[in-house]
Amino acid sequence: KNEVEQSPQNLTAQEGEFITINCSYSVGISALHWLQQHPGGGIVSLFMLSSGKKKHGRLIATINILDKHSSLNISASHPRDSAVYICAARPDQGNLIFGKGTKLSVKP
Amino acid sequence: EAQVTQNPRYLITVTGKKLTVTCSQNMNHEYMSWYRQDPGLGLRQIYYSMNVEVTDKGDVPEGYKVSRKEKRNFPLILESPSPNQTSLYFCASREFERLDRNYGYTFGSGTRLTVV
Repeated sequence: KNEVEQSPQNLTAQEGEFITINCSYSVGISALHWLQQHPGGGIVSLFMLSSGKKKHGRLIATINILDKHSSLNISASHPRDSAVYICAARPDQGNLIFGKGTKLSVKP
Repeated sequence: EAQVTQNPRYLITVTGKKLTVTCSQNMNHEYMSWYRQDPGLGLRQIYYSMNVEVTDKGDVPEGYKVSRKEKRNFPLILESPSPNQTSLYFCASREFERLDRNYGYTFGSGTRLTVV
């Protein structure tokens, strides 16, 4: 069983739609990361969370420590948001555990 | 500009021919790490370093070596590459334990390695 599970695996949306990507983890963590991998392969760190919520532009990431769950929301989605979004949990002990990623495609 | 520089971007080599992928960061980060990414398996950590002269194994260290002689550089060495090391490799760095920052890791642009 994967310690970090993401859903959905694939997501197709129309431009302007509100997007939700979910991440569940089974270990105790000190931080949770959301990463964005562009179609060209490059990886950008979007958020690092230990509690509550963080916002950057149209993106909001939230985490519920009790439920061991995090969500990444994208409002007013745009084709340039098309990418793979990866959740990674940093356990109290040990290194990052990555989810398999959610491939988002936003159609114009 | 704050960045992690990886070289080369693409590399095709033959089985057994030693190679080095370089990684350099200009942010004075203590922590650096190497990952490989394979279809269906996602990102997996190879090695990491907490600081100069301090390195440790990640989840898939077999067949790889690293060194951290200077804070900015963290090369990945494949002494005798094999076809199962064909993969997309990423180097990353981060400040040590800065949860007040919005962003965590800074990634290099990746190295696509093919071993034939």
